[in-house]
Amino acid sequence: AQKVTQAQTEISVVEKEDVTLDCVYETRDTTYYLFWYKQPPSGELVFLIRRNSFDEQNEISGRYSWNFQKSTSSFNFTITASQVVDSAVYFCALSEAYYGGATNKLIFGTGTLLAVQP
Amino acid sequence: IAGITQAPTSQILAAGRRMTLRCTQDMRHNAMYWYRQDLGLGLRLIHYSNTAGTTGKGEVPDGYSVSRANTDDFPLTLASAVPSQTSVYFCASSESASGRGEQFFGPGTRLTVL
Repeated sequence: AQKVTQAQTEISVVEKEDVTLDCVYETRDTTYYLFWYKQPPSGELVFLIRRNSFDEQNEISGRYSWNFQKSTSSFNFTITASQVVDSAVYFCALSEAYYGGATNKLIFGTGTLLAVQP
Repeated sequence: IAGITQAPTSQILAAGRRMTLRCTQDMRHNAMYWYRQDLGLGLRLIHYSNTAGTTGKGEVPDGYSVSRANTDDFPLTLASAVPSQTSVYFCASSESASGRGEQFFGPGTRLTVL
């Protein structure tokens, strides 16, 4: 069965600290996709990154970086030099390849609330 | 219109009433989805549509119905609302149902059933 676990319910850091949000997933498929979404206090869901199961290269985008390790079924997200604007709920999600009749269903973790204090 | 719009933004509804949440996208995406977000549970899929004219049940479909008469619109109907349907509802779309594309989300509808 598919499952995404975000064990950290809430994290509080002071501005300029680095912070890592953990994500562990379970799937039996060999082809799957992992995502991170950000939900700021305004409530909308903002797509951050997609990673497919065949690409284990880490990715960096500005202050954001992602570490994908199939050996530990983890897809962790690090924010370097955090800022107050990073305060949000962050969701990790998993989808499996579509096999006619099913759908691109996103399985979400329960989210991590990140509070960045000034 | 740019992206996905949802209406209403919020609604307070008496139990037993019928309610339709509207969702429209202008990206010509084939696949559309309805999720509900509840504290501590993340987002859960209610119904989906891989393409116009088809729909399917998600993880929590009971008490909800959908239709997909055209590419752009994907309304969600609560036939007889109950308090447990109090939630924030998000509509989403993706270019295809293949799994590899990201889903784009609407701004959400906050529904309270009393």
